[in-house]
Amino acid sequence: DTGVSQNPRHKITKRGQNVTFRCDPISEHNRLYWYRQTLGQGPEFLTYFQNEAQLEKSRLLSDRFSAERPKGSFSTLEIQRTEQGDSAMYLCASSLGQDSSNEQFFGPGTRLTVL
Amino acid sequence: AQKITQTQPGMFVQEKEAVTLDCTYDTSDPSYGLFWYKQPSSGEMIFLIYQGSYDQQNATEGRYSLNFQKARKSANLVISASQLGDSAMYFCAMREASVSWANNLFFGTGTRLTVIP
Repeated sequence: DTGVSQNPRHKITKRGQNVTFRCDPISEHNRLYWYRQTLGQGPEFLTYFQNEAQLEKSRLLSDRFSAERPKGSFSTLEIQRTEQGDSAMYLCASSLGQDSSNEQFFGPGTRLTVL
Repeated sequence: AQKITQTQPGMFVQEKEAVTLDCTYDTSDPSYGLFWYKQPSSGEMIFLIYQGSYDQQNATEGRYSLNFQKARKSANLVISASQLGDSAMYFCAMREASVSWANNLFFGTGTRLTVIP
């Protein structure tokens, strides 16, 4: 399977714990995005990497959130001291090049539940 | 202001009939792209169709076509010959080419389509 993969698919944690999600984009894609989707809403942009550089962060990305893409391949999203409001689906997407027509390919998402 | 507005929370269509899902957008960027994605209950976002702001023709992809009315800032999705497998959430999204490095997508709130046998 050469699509975008995300692990884990589901994560249940207690409030205050740290969690980390992983995204493996399509191998030749240089652009990687993280989005968050809450119930009944469309995905909202969190952050963007071009190769290993994190070039843009949304205001939604509080200082409890950190993302990395150490070698320009896979990416991790860590949430520290989780809160119940962090419960959502976290989607990763990748794309190639800078043409605005390039579609973003999405992974299956990681569903986070904070108890 | 919302960049993408989808006013239909839910739509029903009879199998084999056509259905139109509405989408209006708001941008001052002259260069932008409009996308439609399908999200089945499994959660994965599936790309359906793309329309660029400078494209002269309406985009078509199989049973999907995009009714692009630039002056009205609308980009409605038309699904012809609906199938039971078309039942899903449908999201309209926009990318503004000039605004940011990221070219991230702005999504609407979605329309839940149910195909009735």
